[in-house]
Amino acid sequence: DAKTTQPPSMDCAEGRAANLPCNHSTISGNEYVYWYRQIHSQGPQYIIHGLKNNETNEMASLIITEDRKSSTLILPHATLRDTAVYYCIVRVTMGNYGGSQGNLIFGKGTKLSVKP
Amino acid sequence: DTEVTQTPKHLVMGMTNKKSLKCEQHMGHRAMYWYKQKAKKPPELMFVYSYEKLSINESVPSRFSPECPNSSLLNLHLHALQPEDSALYLCASRDVRGVQYFGAGTRLSVL
Repeated sequence: DAKTTQPPSMDCAEGRAANLPCNHSTISGNEYVYWYRQIHSQGPQYIIHGLKNNETNEMASLIITEDRKSSTLILPHATLRDTAVYYCIVRVTMGNYGGSQGNLIFGKGTKLSVKP
Repeated sequence: DTEVTQTPKHLVMGMTNKKSLKCEQHMGHRAMYWYKQKAKKPPELMFVYSYEKLSINESVPSRFSPECPNSSLLNLHLHALQPEDSALYLCASRDVRGVQYFGAGTRLSVL
């Protein structure tokens, strides 16, 4: 499995964009980049995932570099409720439920603190 | 409905007790997971069920016994736990895109 490297912590001002980087220089061609976050004492929450194209949903945008060795999660207008640990995970995905490729291996993540 | 429901939310048990954690999802997912999370650490995978069969056991001690009675339900039976087993226990289910949906967890304290 490709390993990921994230900064341990980041601060962001409320209302500004939060840009969270992730390095995954050993990513394979069939591995996706997944982002989850975990707000204190809650279960992790899925945010977004992508293979090579940039992706956007109602929560965030995911920018993947052309060589796929790094990515950035963008929260366009951070709020205090976005304070959480953000995990970047690289995994193969499958169109069924078999095998171990869908399993998530969590790293230490980035602790994002959104400040007023 | 993208909800995974875990009960109970909190559990306190003695080292000689037997208790069970329950997890339920109605999204039609056929892969379900148990994770353990200690304070200030990331979640660690314990068990994976695929099509109601145990497919992965990450060398978890036998005092933790998982069970998948049907495609919507996952249990974790606990017996003779140690104080170091105190943690947040998370359940998740996965869709075919590889996205996992997590419950809120059961916070377990072993006295």
